[in-house]
Amino acid sequence: DIQMTQSPSTLSASVGDRVTITCRASQSFNDWLAWYQQKPGKAPKLLIYKASSLESGVPSRFSGSGSGTEFTLTINSLQPDDFATYYCQQYNSWTFGQGTKVEIK
Amino acid sequence: EEQLVESGGGLVQPGGSLRLSCAASGFTFRRHWISWVRQAPGKGLEWVAYIKEDGSEKYYVDSVKGRFTISRDNAKNSLYLQMNSLRAEDTAVYYCARDKGSRSGMDVWGQGTTVTVSS
Repeated sequence: DIQMTQSPSTLSASVGDRVTITCRASQSFNDWLAWYQQKPGKAPKLLIYKASSLESGVPSRFSGSGSGTEFTLTINSLQPDDFATYYCQQYNSWTFGQGTKVEIK
Repeated sequence: EEQLVESGGGLVQPGGSLRLSCAASGFTFRRHWISWVRQAPGKGLEWVAYIKEDGSEKYYVDSVKGRFTISRDNAKNSLYLQMNSLRAEDTAVYYCARDKGSRSGMDVWGQGTTVTVSS
């Protein structure tokens, strides 16, 4: 099975910052990668699918890129509502990354 | 509104069994793969099981193979997870989630149901 390593595990940032989260796969696969946002006590929310496609209703400050074994989620101009935990998920064997908590600096 | 609602969680002793249910509404249930995803207290997300639209294909994470069974009843718009031989490490919030299609992620999630395995 493909393992996903997400980094960093915690990220401190300020409102307005540009934030980048990376997900690395143990082996190369196609673009079947999704990104989710989760807030405490809530279900995850799909942000990005197929590595770079923005889910309907998700603000355009969120973007995804990458291929092969390295994928990134970028949040441009971080907003107060964006402080949350983010997970990547590869769709070859459905494994999630360990998560990245975005905290207020 | 497209919705998934889980039920059936609770406290169970190690070695015991529990059956979770997930009721779908607001979309054509029979056209979607559906999964179970769990989250242990303070931990990350873990995919548990997946079932194809017609139930003909099922997949499980290694840690639950032989103990958990995913099933669905498209006539009742319902998904199930039969959990046997439960262990303390199965303690988690269990979510059902709809597959968007074409390997594009899980776009509709339930609110979760809590399973606690403890003596």
